[in-house]
Amino acid sequence: GAGVSQTPSNKVTEKGKYVELRCDPISGHTALYWYRQSLGQGPEFLIYFQGTGAADDSGLPNDRFFAVRPEGSVSTLKIQRTERGDSAVYLCASSRGGTGELFFGEGSRLTVL
Amino acid sequence: GQQVMQIPQYQHVQEGEDFTTYCNSSTTLSNIQWYKQRPGGHPVFLIQLVKSGEVKKQKRLTFQFGEAKKNSSLHITATQTTDVGTYFCAGENYNQGGKLIFGQGTELSVKP
Repeated sequence: GAGVSQTPSNKVTEKGKYVELRCDPISGHTALYWYRQSLGQGPEFLIYFQGTGAADDSGLPNDRFFAVRPEGSVSTLKIQRTERGDSAVYLCASSRGGTGELFFGEGSRLTVL
Repeated sequence: GQQVMQIPQYQHVQEGEDFTTYCNSSTTLSNIQWYKQRPGGHPVFLIQLVKSGEVKKQKRLTFQFGEAKKNSSLHITATQTTDVGTYFCAGENYNQGGKLIFGQGTELSVKP
């Protein structure tokens, strides 16, 4: 596609529920990143994929967070047993080779009530 | 772990005044990138600096990478209202290739 696409753009859920956020990167980009951004803060690194494998998942806050990229293109960020502190904008980005310019999507705004 | 700090957090200027934001890393970086995020938008890439002491210019924007590759700055000459937004630096470590750590950003407002 023309740019990085993220769905849903907005998600409101209740505490304890399971959530999936999807990212469709720019075609041909091998690297895919997930960040989360709270109001007034910089993007916080979560996980980085190179192809199908997670090259660095050191930013995932705990085992409630998991991400997959089974075919090296679309990625899904999965959050179990959501908590109010998970509320943030989840940003996905892709890049050609894992270094250099990141192209960000518009983000998925998650609100946990 | 790696930390990237930016100052100031906020900067309010009159249109036509200059603006500078500073970025410092706790570790030596392989490269540093700068992004701009408009209100309600997503981060958009501005530039990448790789070499020690590197200076790059984009029209009214000047980017510098320190000699020790631990600090960087962005300077805007004669700000315009279109410069409004938050400017982030993001650093990559040598032994953590691909992992970009963002600073907390400097929010610039420009009064016409």
